Amino acid sequence: KAGVTQTPRYLIKTRGQQVTLSCSPISGHRSVSWYQQTPGQGLQFLFEYFSETQRNKGNFPGRFSGRQFSNSRSEMNVSTLELGDSALYLCASSRDGSYEQYFGPGTRLTVT
Amino acid sequence: DAKTTQPNSMESNEEEPVHLPCNHSTISGTDYIHWYRQLPSQGPEYVIHGLTSNVNNRMASLAIAEDRKSSTLILHRATLRDAAVYYCILIGGSNYKLTFGKGTLLTVNP
Repeated sequence: KAGVTQTPRYLIKTRGQQVTLSCSPISGHRSVSWYQQTPGQGLQFLFEYFSETQRNKGNFPGRFSGRQFSNSRSEMNVSTLELGDSALYLCASSRDGSYEQYFGPGTRLTVT
Repeated sequence: DAKTTQPNSMESNEEEPVHLPCNHSTISGTDYIHWYRQLPSQGPEYVIHGLTSNVNNRMASLAIAEDRKSSTLILHRATLRDAAVYYCILIGGSNYKLTFGKGTLLTVNP
């Protein structure tokens, strides 16, 4: 079974731009969560989607948004990029009702 | 969210057992204890989870104290590939988000 895939793996953007990251969950997994990882703050939860609806949300500003499609694939968008948004963005999928999450390799975003 | 406390770092020798402790004194009755690990340059990886009883799988064992206020992840024979940051996380109810602390950086010496 294929694992969680994320595209692109690396991205360089400039301040003020916007970016869209993509995540394809493991087949059969309907829950997709997004996390931001930085050296200073560690791993922080952004949001979780299930059946195309946002089910949980972390404490991030509205510039961070996401969506989930009917095939469970998910995208997250960051608008008006700031230098502090430079981070590894991780996507994780899980089966409905399971706390066990499977992570993708992440997208390394650098904002200059 | 119930908090967990782990040592910042631990060191082990290859092929020796490793016991990684985690304190969670404010755990609620419905919280599951999960362990994840993150190898360098990779996303976190699920290791094991349990509720009340000790659990074993191919990767590790989880020993849960009778009062559930602490637990220990046991790697029976550490290998160099086990060098990673290990996170102890409590999850329960309808909250599926993982709240990661600082974790324990495990160094395995050859």
